[in-house]
Amino acid sequence: KNEVEQSPQNLTAQEGEFITINCSYSVGISALHWLQQHPGGGIVSLFMLSSGKKKHGRLIATINIQEKHSSLHITASHPRDSAVYICAVAVYGGSQGNLIFGKGTKLSVKP
Amino acid sequence: GAGVSQSPRYKVAKRGQDVALRCDPISGHVSLFWYQQALGQGPEFLTYFQNEAQLDKSGLPSDRFFAERPEGSVSTLKIQRTQQEDSAVYLCASSELAGRGETQYFGPGTRLLVL
Repeated sequence: KNEVEQSPQNLTAQEGEFITINCSYSVGISALHWLQQHPGGGIVSLFMLSSGKKKHGRLIATINIQEKHSSLHITASHPRDSAVYICAVAVYGGSQGNLIFGKGTKLSVKP
Repeated sequence: GAGVSQSPRYKVAKRGQDVALRCDPISGHVSLFWYQQALGQGPEFLTYFQNEAQLDKSGLPSDRFFAERPEGSVSTLKIQRTQQEDSAVYLCASSELAGRGETQYFGPGTRLLVL
């Protein structure tokens, strides 16, 4: 079993829809990252959080440490949001900051 | 300012050939990470540098893989006698400080194809 699980693996939405991507992990963590990867491989860090909730524009990330679960929400989705969204965790007590990644959720937003 | 850059962006190698992949981290960043991303998978950790010191190389898949960061800035990942299973995107990331929980800034990756 992977230490970081994401769901769904693939997600197709219509423009304007509210989107939720889920991430569950099985290890103790010091931080959780949400990353966005566009075709061609470039990765952009969206959020890093260790508790509570963060918001940036139309993106909202939440984490529940007790339940070992995080969600990434996109409000009023747009075709330019189409990308792979990756959840990654920094393991508590692990190596100095290397991340364990989920397999990603491929999001496609149709106009 | 400039982000993390990697070169080459694409590399095609014949099986058995040696390759060298370069990473230029953000200037002044202490930590540097190498990850390997197979097609359709999430990245996997290869190795970590704090300045010039390689503190963790537990993710390197075999002794054909070697990484260095001699002056604490630019890093090179070398793969000797490449095999087809080495085909992947190799990602480099840097963070400003050492320690867990730092934001990592990723380069565009080097896509390696071994024929």
